[in-house]
Amino acid sequence: SQTIHQWPATLVQPVGSPLSLECTVEGTSNPNLYWYRQAAGRGLQLLFYSVGIGQISSEVPQNLSASRPQDRQFILSSKKLLLSDSGFYLCAWGISGNTIYFGEGSWLTVV
Amino acid sequence: GENVEQHPSTLSVQEGDSAVIKCTYSDSASNYFPWYKQELGKGPQLIIDIRSNVGEKKDQRIAVTLNKTAKHFSLHITETQPEDSAVYFCAASKRSNYQLIWGAGTKLIIKP
Repeated sequence: SQTIHQWPATLVQPVGSPLSLECTVEGTSNPNLYWYRQAAGRGLQLLFYSVGIGQISSEVPQNLSASRPQDRQFILSSKKLLLSDSGFYLCAWGISGNTIYFGEGSWLTVV
Repeated sequence: GENVEQHPSTLSVQEGDSAVIKCTYSDSASNYFPWYKQELGKGPQLIIDIRSNVGEKKDQRIAVTLNKTAKHFSLHITETQPEDSAVYFCAASKRSNYQLIWGAGTKLIIKP
C-alpha cells in the first residue's frame, strides 16, 4: 500500500532563517505531488504541485520554493522565512482521477 | 475559474442527530467531488467521494449526494458520534485538471 511521510512534524524558526520540509511517498510511481499551507483555523491553500521530476508549478507568489529531485520526493524550501510563513504545511500525493492523499503535516512557527 | 462555496462554516448538532454540509460549485465541467475530514493537528483524510455519473453514494453512516443541474453536492452524516467532531472540507475538480478547488471548511461540533 502507499504511504506518505513528511518531516519534521514541528519546527520553530527565527525570521530570516532558511527552511526545508521534506516529503516522500512509498508504494507508487510517478505520483502527482502537492504542497499546501493552512493558516490556523483556515482553509487549504495550494502552494506548489508537480506532475514529474523537475516539473514544478507555483500557485501563489511567495518567498517559498519547491523541488522534486526524485520521483517520490518533494521538498519545500525558503531562503529567508517571514513571520507570515507560519502555518501548517501539508504534503499530498495523487495518481489519477483527482483523488489526493495527505501526509500528517508540519507545523511551522516563525518567531 | 472554478469556485466552491461551503456552508455552514460551523455546525453544532446533538449526538445521535444527523448533520448535513452543503457545497456549490461554479464550473459545470467539474466531475469529481471528494469530502475530507480533518481532525485537530492532523492532515485531511478522504472520507467519501462521488463522480458526476452518479447521484448518491453511501458508506455506512456517511453519504454524499450530487445535483449536477443545480451544481451542488452535500455530505450527510447520520447517527452522529463524538468522534465525528472535526473540520470537513469539500472540493471539486475536472478530469483534465490536477487540482482540487476547495471549500472553506465546516467545523462540525457534536454535543453530548
